Order: sequence, then C-alpha cells, then structure tokens
Amino acid sequence: DAKTTQPNSMESNEEEPVHLPCNHSTISGTDYIHWYRQLPSQGPEYVIHGLTSNVNNRMASLAIAEDRKSSTLILHRATLRDAAVYYCILRGQETSGSRLTFGEGTQLTVNP
Amino acid sequence: EPEVTQTPSHQVTQMGQEVILRCVPISNHLYFYWYRQILGQKVEFLVSFYNNEISEKSEIFDDQFSVERPDGSNFTLKIRSTKLEDSAMYFCASSFYRLGEAFFGQGTRLTVV
Repeated sequence: DAKTTQPNSMESNEEEPVHLPCNHSTISGTDYIHWYRQLPSQGPEYVIHGLTSNVNNRMASLAIAEDRKSSTLILHRATLRDAAVYYCILRGQETSGSRLTFGEGTQLTVNP
Repeated sequence: EPEVTQTPSHQVTQMGQEVILRCVPISNHLYFYWYRQILGQKVEFLVSFYNNEISEKSEIFDDQFSVERPDGSNFTLKIRSTKLEDSAMYFCASSFYRLGEAFFGQGTRLTVV
C-alpha cells in the first residue's frame, strides 16, 4: 500500500483555521487522496477526497500540491466537535484495491 | 440524510459461540465492507463485497469469518467460533463507487468472554 505520513497530533483554538498536512511521496497517478476522521467512540466519517485539483465541500477544503506528493486538509473554522483523529488515505486501483488502509492519523485537539 | 445502520450496538458472547453482526448499507450503494478496530488500535480492513461476492479480503478474514447479503438490504458478518481476540468494534461501510467515499456505521462492539 502507498504510505502516507501525518503528524501524530496537532492543536488548534476554536474558530481558528486548521491545516492538517499529509505527505504521500509514493503516490501513483491514479491514486485518489481521501480524508476521513474518527470522533471518540464513533465510526470513521468521510470528510473529502480529490485527485489533482483542490476540492471544497461543506465540511472542509482539500489542497493538493502540484506534484501530488503532499496535501493539506483545511478546516476553515474549527469547532469543539472537530476534535477527532484525521486520516489521510490513498485509494487507487493499483495501490489499495477496494480497501481503505487506516494509519495512525493526526489527533486534533481543539481548545475552547 | 441516508446512513449505514448496524445492529446490535453491543454484543457479548461466550468464546466458541457463533455471532452474526448485521448492517443495513445505504440503499443505492453497490460496494459493502467490514472493518474492525481493537481497542486502542488502528481501524483494520476485513472484507469487501460487490455483486454478491467477496471482491477482496485481508489476512484477518480467515475461514472463521463469512459475509452474506441475504436480501436486498442487509449485509451480515458471521464469526463461526469466536475467540477472545475477536473482541473489537466492528464497522460496516458502503459506497456507490469502488474508489469513492465510503460511509461507515456506528459500529457493533463485540465482547468475547
């Protein structure tokens, strides 16, 4: 499986933007970059995904580097409810098949 | 908003017993998955299911495990003879596209005693 590297933990203050980085230097041309999060005692929750272009949805934005070797998940205004583990996962025909391979992720703490 | 539902939320079973975990995926989805998470560990892929057959399985998914889609709405995971190490949260997920976003249920906490 193509690997991703994320910081173990990050902290933010409520109502401030949060930028969660992910490195994926071995990404292949057909890999999608997926982000999921897991709130305490809940199942993983889809956040956003993209291939080459930056993406926005109601939850977050995904900024993808031009060479696709890194990406950043952007939460525009963090809330206490955004405290979770965030996972950056590559998903592609050759890389992962149909599975999502969860790593350790980034534990995001949001301070009031 | 459509969601994946799992039942029961918590199941306690004796070692050696069979358990069936149930899931109702989102109705128009085509791909179905089971994952598990042992307490304090990573979420691990077990199996994916498409077109009424297993499309991929992990090394965890041995002969003790089976999956079934008995009707148009349910998706089940059976563990034939549970072991202590099967104690975990089991998550069902579904997606419309093979490489698209997957939606997860809230999980079933399985405790084997």
